[in-house]
Amino acid sequence: DTGVSQDPRHKITKRGQNVTFRCDPISEHNRLYWYRQTLGQGPEFLTYFQNEAQLEKSRLLSDRFSAERPKGSFSTLEIQRTEQGDSAMYLCASGLTRTGGNGNTIYFGEGSWLTVV
Amino acid sequence: AQSVTQLDSQVPVFEEAPVELRCNYSSSVSVYLFWYVQYPNQGLQLLLKYLSGSTLVESINGFEAEFNKSQTSFHLRKPSVHISDTAEYFCAVSERRDDKIIFGKGTRLHILP
Repeated sequence: DTGVSQDPRHKITKRGQNVTFRCDPISEHNRLYWYRQTLGQGPEFLTYFQNEAQLEKSRLLSDRFSAERPKGSFSTLEIQRTEQGDSAMYLCASGLTRTGGNGNTIYFGEGSWLTVV
Repeated sequence: AQSVTQLDSQVPVFEEAPVELRCNYSSSVSVYLFWYVQYPNQGLQLLLKYLSGSTLVESINGFEAEFNKSQTSFHLRKPSVHISDTAEYFCAVSERRDDKIIFGKGTRLHILP
C-alpha cells in the first residue's frame, strides 16, 4: 500500500536558486493539495487540484510559486528565486472527492523540508 | 473564506486527567470539520471528523469532539489522557461546496507525568 510520497525529503539551496518538489498522490485520488508548514504553525493552504485542473492558486505566496499537475497524477511545486523566508516544510496531501465536496479525508505525505541559505 | 482559530498554542495536562482543546471556525456556508494529529516525528493524520448527523463524533483512541453550530465551535475532549497522546493537534474546516481544507495553527498537548 503506497501512501502519498514526496521528493526530495530535504533540500538545501542557495538564495536565488530555483527548487522543485514532486508529489505522488495515492493512485485513485483525484484531489491533490499543497500546504506550507513552518515551525510552530499549522499547515498553510497554498493550492489544490481536481485531477489536472488547478482550483485555486490565489493563496500561493507570491508569483515565484507555481504548481502543476499535468496529467492529473503527480504534481510539482516550483519556487523560483528562493528567499530565506521560503525555508519551511512543504506538504502534499491527496484525497478522493466528488464534485462540490464531500468532506473527504486527506492523506498527507511526509513533507519536503526546504532550507534556503 | 473560512478560517479556524485554536486559542491555545500549548496545553499541559497531567496523565489521566481530562483535557479539552478548543477550536472555533468562521464560515458563511455549511462546513465539514476535522481534527488532525501529528505525533512526534510523524506526518499529519486524521483523528476524527464531522460531516453530518450526530454532532458528537468519536475517535478510536478515546477522543471526542462536538459540533456546536451556534457557537461555531468544534472542541476536542478526552476524559483521561495518556502519555502516548503527546502530539500536536490541528483543527481544520472545509466548506461543503469545495473541500478546500483550511487548518488552524495547532495546539501542542503536553502530558505531565
